[in-house]
Amino acid sequence: DAGVIQSPRHEVTEMGQEVTLRCKPISGHDYLFWYRQTMMRGLELLIYFNNNVPIDDSGMPEDRFSAKMPNASFSTLKIQPSEPRDSAVYFCASMRRNSEQYFGPGTRLTVT
Amino acid sequence: GEDVEQSLFLSVREGDSSVINCTYTDSSSTYLYWYKQEPGAGLQLLTYIFSNMDMKQDQRLTVLLNKKDKHLSLRIADTQTGDSAIYFCAEYSGGYQKVTFGIGTKLQVIP
Repeated sequence: DAGVIQSPRHEVTEMGQEVTLRCKPISGHDYLFWYRQTMMRGLELLIYFNNNVPIDDSGMPEDRFSAKMPNASFSTLKIQPSEPRDSAVYFCASMRRNSEQYFGPGTRLTVT
Repeated sequence: GEDVEQSLFLSVREGDSSVINCTYTDSSSTYLYWYKQEPGAGLQLLTYIFSNMDMKQDQRLTVLLNKKDKHLSLRIADTQTGDSAIYFCAEYSGGYQKVTFGIGTKLQVIP
């Protein structure tokens, strides 16, 4: 298996633009997680899905952030409009129930 | 709620042992993990321990769990420059299928 795939690996955008991050989980994994990593706050859980259904989105910072999982092999995290404070590395991870999480390589987002 | 704490930075000389410490709060944790993050990469599972175990050894890695004090440690024997990375402690409670991560300890190995 190729592991968790994320795209793009790097994204530079201007404040106010829409940003869409993409994730393909490992086949057969029924849980998917979106994290944000910054120097100041460490690794924060934004939202997670089970069988494509959002279970806990309490970590989503505000309404500018939204996440979808239209099918078992694809998820998106969208920021609209983006702000400089959204600059971070965004990770997607997937897992089977009661097993460890496998992380993607991350998307480094820079908002200028 | 769950909370995982660990120190931010550790510096050791090559060949010495490294000990990274972590405390957690959720007494119902079933698994405790150590993840490693190398520069520019995602987190990778390094090792884990069941909550009913006191110790686990895996080659150069030794994990110690003190459940009474909710303290977890990772010892790396004969630390190498390739061990330089950020190490995350994490706890898992099966009920919510969520893993709570610490902020990560940056290990610097001095040649």
